[in-house]
Amino acid sequence: SQQGEEDPQALSIQEGENATMNCSYKTSINNLQWYRQNSGRGLVHLILIRSNEREKHSGRLRVTLDTSKKSSSLLITASRAADTASYFCATDTEEGAQKLVFGQGTRLTINP
Amino acid sequence: IAGITQAPTSQILAAGRRMTLRCTQDMRHNAMYWYRQDLGLGLRLIHYSNTAGTTGKGEVPDGYSVSRANTDDFPLTLASAVPSQTSVYFCASRRAGGSDTQYFGPGTRLTVL
Repeated sequence: SQQGEEDPQALSIQEGENATMNCSYKTSINNLQWYRQNSGRGLVHLILIRSNEREKHSGRLRVTLDTSKKSSSLLITASRAADTASYFCATDTEEGAQKLVFGQGTRLTINP
Repeated sequence: IAGITQAPTSQILAAGRRMTLRCTQDMRHNAMYWYRQDLGLGLRLIHYSNTAGTTGKGEVPDGYSVSRANTDDFPLTLASAVPSQTSVYFCASRRAGGSDTQYFGPGTRLTVL
């Protein structure tokens, strides 16, 4: 069964706008990670947030984590056409083995 | 080579045939993983290996087997392919004990008829 549920499933915005994607999960986690996938390609790691962290930044990316609500959000600021991709959250629930459980993804389209 | 390579890039296979998907990494990562990605379901873990000589089952292991004879290679075998195994297969690796980042290969698109 999928640990993560992502919302929305698809998002289309204009270049320059901010994009927010949400992820909810079911069980306790060690960390939560966000990955990006361009069409027909493998996944690329974007950012990791640990269970004891609440917010993390990396360039134009901002990730928040609310363990009480079992949810996370990924914000991409000042979006660019090159940000068009699918974005996946993945939860790591087991110390050591890091068997990630992925959500179904959000398909983001940035319109020029 | 640099990173993770997978072979073949794509394959069409008759049901009942045996198939091995190859995965090789040159980063000397301890841990390796196999996922399948189906439309609308995200990625699901099939098998994993924390270090050479050890393997473990993921979320959807049935119909698949793996081996980890050395650090670099992690082949995935379908002993008798069925149409429900039509999917895109991704191999990934991680440097255990360091960053939790997983690095993904480009994928193998498998169609079982």
